[in-house]
Amino acid sequence: DIQMTQSPSSLSASVGDRVTITCRASQSISSYLNWYQQKPGKAPKLLIYVASSLQSGVPSRFSGSGSGTDYTLTISSLQPEDFATYYCQQSYSTPRTFGQGTKVEIK
Amino acid sequence: QVKLQQWGAGLLKPSETLSLTCAVYGGSFSGYYWSWIRQPPGKGLEWIGEINHSGNTNYNPSLKSRVTISVDTSKIQFSLKLSSVTAADTAVYYCARGSVRGRNYYYMDVWGKGTTVTVSS
Repeated sequence: DIQMTQSPSSLSASVGDRVTITCRASQSISSYLNWYQQKPGKAPKLLIYVASSLQSGVPSRFSGSGSGTDYTLTISSLQPEDFATYYCQQSYSTPRTFGQGTKVEIK
Repeated sequence: QVKLQQWGAGLLKPSETLSLTCAVYGGSFSGYYWSWIRQPPGKGLEWIGEINHSGNTNYNPSLKSRVTISVDTSKIQFSLKLSSVTAADTAVYYCARGSVRGRNYYYMDVWGKGTTVTVSS
């Protein structure tokens, strides 16, 4: 199985801050990397697919980058509705593994 | 707009079989993977497995011996069965649509609302 490791596990930030979350795969996954946002009591929501493609309807303050084993999700200016938990997920091979999540909290 | 509606028993005893169904509304069934994911209380997401409209399946090896995912194309539904459940199977279970683009790039873009399943004697 490909292991996905996110950092940090949690962070505190203020509205307007630039936030960066990192995801590292245990082997190269060639941009087969997706990012999801989950709010308490809700299903995950797709934000980014194929490492850097923005899902329709997702605000442009969200962006993704990376290659090989290392990937990044960036929120350029954190908004109140962005406080949530974020997960990366690889789709290079099955099982389709997720990172452990990064909780973004209000500072 | 595609929507997924899921249902199933929410309270099970140890050794029973978990059974959930997910119906697809407003979109095509073919050309996609139909997946199940679970989330134990306070923990992260675990992919259980998937099926396509032809019935081809992929399962998480950690659950493979107990999992069956099936599809009913006439009803545009797919189902999950997990046998011999224990307290460790207590979780919110989600169904999701897996879309594929380009060089087999896969992502889950439509999700059901989730079903809470509790295993307790």
